[in-house]
Amino acid sequence: SQQGEEDPQALSIQEGENATMNCSYKTSINNLQWYRQNSGRGLVHLILIRSNEREKHSGRLRVTLDTSKKSSSLLITASRAADTASYFCATEGGAQKLVFGQGTRLTINP
Amino acid sequence: GAVVSQHPSWVICKSGTSVKIECRSLDFQATTMFWYRQFPKQSLMLMATSNEGSKATYEQGVEKDKFLINHASLTLSTLTVTSAHPEDSSFYICSASGTRNTGELFFGEGSRLTVL
Repeated sequence: SQQGEEDPQALSIQEGENATMNCSYKTSINNLQWYRQNSGRGLVHLILIRSNEREKHSGRLRVTLDTSKKSSSLLITASRAADTASYFCATEGGAQKLVFGQGTRLTINP
Repeated sequence: GAVVSQHPSWVICKSGTSVKIECRSLDFQATTMFWYRQFPKQSLMLMATSNEGSKATYEQGVEKDKFLINHASLTLSTLTVTSAHPEDSSFYICSASGTRNTGELFFGEGSRLTVL
C-alpha cells in the first residue's frame, strides 16, 4: 500500500521562485528518496537522505528529514522552466523496496 | 550513472494477446529488479520483486499468473502480461539494484502498454 502522502498535489510558480514540496510517511524507514518524472518518462533519482540525516543539499535541491514527524521536504531554489515535472518521494524500509508518495506536479511558468 | 533500458517503450496490442517487456541493466549487474505500474497522473505501485535465478515475489493483489516475471540473468528481467485486457493498459516501469548497494535504484524509461 502507498504510505507516502505528498502535498501539495500540484504547484504552479513563476520562474526564479522557490518550490517546496512535502512528504509524509507512516512507518519506520532506512532512507527516503526523491525522484523526478517528466511526463511519460521514467524516474530520475534526485537525492537520498538516510534516516540518521536531517538535511542534505545537492545543487539547487535541499532535502530535510524529520523522523520524529515522519516527514520530509524538498526545496528547489531559483526554479527554472526545465524543472517542470512530477516529483515523488519514496521511502525504503528494507530490501530496497520503495513505497512512493502520490507525487507533486510542479509547473514553472516562464 | 548506471543505465537501465526498457523495451519496448510503447506497445499496442489486441485484447487476449500476451506482451513481453524487457528490462536490461546496461553497465552493471542487477541482482534485484523491481517492476512498477503507474496509472495516468498517479503514483507508482510496486508489482513484484525479482531476484536473479529465483522466483519473483509479488505484492498483494498482483496476479502472478497474469504478470509473469523472469529474471534469468544478472542483466535482464522480463515482464509478460498474459492474455492482456484493456484494464491492463498502463505505464510499466522497472528499476534495478546493483551489487554496490548504495541504496539508489536506477529506473528504466518505462513501457506504455495500450490494450485495445
